[in-house]
Amino acid sequence: QLQLQESGPGLVRPSETLSLTCTVSTASISSSPYLWGWIRQPPGKGLEWIGSIHYSRGTYYNPSLQGRITISIDTSKNQFSLKLYSVTAADTAVYYCARHDDRGGNYQNAMDVWGQGTTVTVSS
Amino acid sequence: ETVLTQSPATLSLSPGDRATLSCRASQSVDIYLAWYQQKPGQAPRLLIYDASNRATGIPARFSGSGSGTDFTLTINSLEPEDFAVYYCQQRKFWPPLTFGGGTKVEIK
Repeated sequence: QLQLQESGPGLVRPSETLSLTCTVSTASISSSPYLWGWIRQPPGKGLEWIGSIHYSRGTYYNPSLQGRITISIDTSKNQFSLKLYSVTAADTAVYYCARHDDRGGNYQNAMDVWGQGTTVTVSS
Repeated sequence: ETVLTQSPATLSLSPGDRATLSCRASQSVDIYLAWYQQKPGQAPRLLIYDASNRATGIPARFSGSGSGTDFTLTINSLEPEDFAVYYCQQRKFWPPLTFGGGTKVEIK
């Protein structure tokens, strides 16, 4: 069964870079038709899509964060990563990675597999 | 950006009741809308995709309907494990993918 697992520091200083990795088990990112995305949830608030990557289609970013984020794939480790630059307290959240699909037809065209989430706090 | 507005913010019901949750889009998203359930401390779980298709393993008491700008998630005969927060999400116009603000279904 496909599993996703986020990893990275739980505490980041203001103005520094938040770096998270999502490890994908039992499926190859590089040969997969899926998109691989990052979503975050500030404490007590709703969900915000950060961005997604497809191994051949490239990256898609939330315009509200454009210029501050980079999402990349490491095929040798079957991982994808998020870098969020110049963080502030407003970036404190639980960060999730997820698989999603948009091929239409009979595919599950939504975020159907999620990691458990990792809490990141921005504080000095 | 396509804004999704969910109502009500909170729904107070008893086990066995029917829950009706609404999601309204700021522009037509055709059928490209999904519903998720989230319990405290857990990741969201996909319930419905493309407005009315149940995801793998989702019980039949969950159903979705609607198209264009108005969508409904119905939970027939609430089970104790159904008390949670529910989010809608559109994929018609992206980036960005957008979520609604959520509806909390709580025990009355």
